[in-house]
Formats: sequence, C-alpha cells, structure tokens
Amino acid sequence: NAGVTQTPKFQVLKTGQSMTLQCAQDMNHEYMSWYRQDPGMGLRLIHYSVGAGITDQGEVPNGYNVSRSTTEDFPLRLLSAAPSQTSVYFCASSFRTGHNQPQHFGDGTRLSIL
Amino acid sequence: TQLLEQSPQFLSIQEGENLTVYCNSSSVFSSLQWYRQEPGEGPVLLVTVVTGGEVKKLKRLTFQFGDARKDSSLHITAAQPGDTGLYLCAGRKYNFNKFYFGSGTKLNVKP
Repeated sequence: NAGVTQTPKFQVLKTGQSMTLQCAQDMNHEYMSWYRQDPGMGLRLIHYSVGAGITDQGEVPNGYNVSRSTTEDFPLRLLSAAPSQTSVYFCASSFRTGHNQPQHFGDGTRLSIL
Repeated sequence: TQLLEQSPQFLSIQEGENLTVYCNSSSVFSSLQWYRQEPGEGPVLLVTVVTGGEVKKLKRLTFQFGDARKDSSLHITAAQPGDTGLYLCAGRKYNFNKFYFGSGTKLNVKP
C-alpha cells in the first residue's frame, strides 16, 4: 500500500519554465489537495478537489493549475515558474465525509526556481 | 495574515520537562487537527478534536479544543527526544472542504 506518492522529490527550474508536479494515491480517497510550505508560514492550501472532475481554489491559487480526471491522480501545473514559487509542495488525500478523516500526506516535492 | 496563529514558534527544552503549544484564531472551526512533521516528510495526524471543550489524550500528549471552537492547545508531559519535530494545527471550516494550517511550532527536546 503506497499511500500518497509525489514525483519528483526535487526539481530546479529556470524562471519562465513550466512543469507538472505529480500526485497519486491508492486509497480511493475522494478529497485531494495541494499545499505549499514556506519557512514560518505553515502549509497554505493551493487547490483542492472533492472528486473526479471537480476542483476549486484554496488560499494561494495564483500561478497554479490543477485537474482531476481520475480519483487516483491530482497533478499540479506551474505554467510559467517564478522565483516566488520556490517552496516545498505537499499533496494530501482523505475520505471526504466526517470530521475525523485524517489527511494523508506525501513526502513532498522540493522546488527551486532560479 | 494566517487564520490560525501558533505559539511559541520555537521551543527548546530538556528531556523530562513539560510544555504547552497554543493554536489560536478569531474564527470558529468545525474541527481541529494536530499533526507532527519530521524533516523531509509530510505531516502525520496525531488527533482530531470536534466538540467544544473536548479533551483527548494520546499517551503523554493532551489535546484540548476551546469551548468556543476557536482555539486549541497541545500539552506534552515529560517530553522525550522522540517528541522532537514540527507540530502543526489545522482547522476545518464548516463546509468541510478547506483546511487552514497554523505556522507551526518547532520543538527540540534535548537529552
């Protein structure tokens, strides 16, 4: 049981380049989300999805796109990378209903934009 | 400005000491979760509190949800080096779909 798998683990980009961060889960969770973690800021919600075909914005969505074509996958796209997007990105998933559902996190993608 | 403010931001204590971490907001949450994060890994859930005034214990860790559902605390008794890590609180709004994380408390327990 792999849980939440994020790829790649590390990436360096140049300003203006595009890339997709991959996230896959094998727990049949309806809810998936992307966070970024910056020093002293905790985790901030970028985008989330409550099921295949449904996505919505979080606190800091600008500069990022998402799609959810299957229950298992929730990729995050940076269309034109900027240095301000240097961060550690975490994908999480959970069952949708009920207060006590834990979010299961991947191990993160460390992204540097030069 | 973050919706949830955690304090202290850093805490360095000796093994055996007690400590309390606070998570405060002006907003009301339907539930609040506490996570611990180790370097290079994602956060892992410790506990969820749902009812105002609720107290939950997990071995040496005691979690409390404020009566007004706006704040929470984590108390560790007789801290051990294995408790070292980043502690994060996360509040869930009533629409269930968004979690708001605090800025975290970095705990270091020295042997």
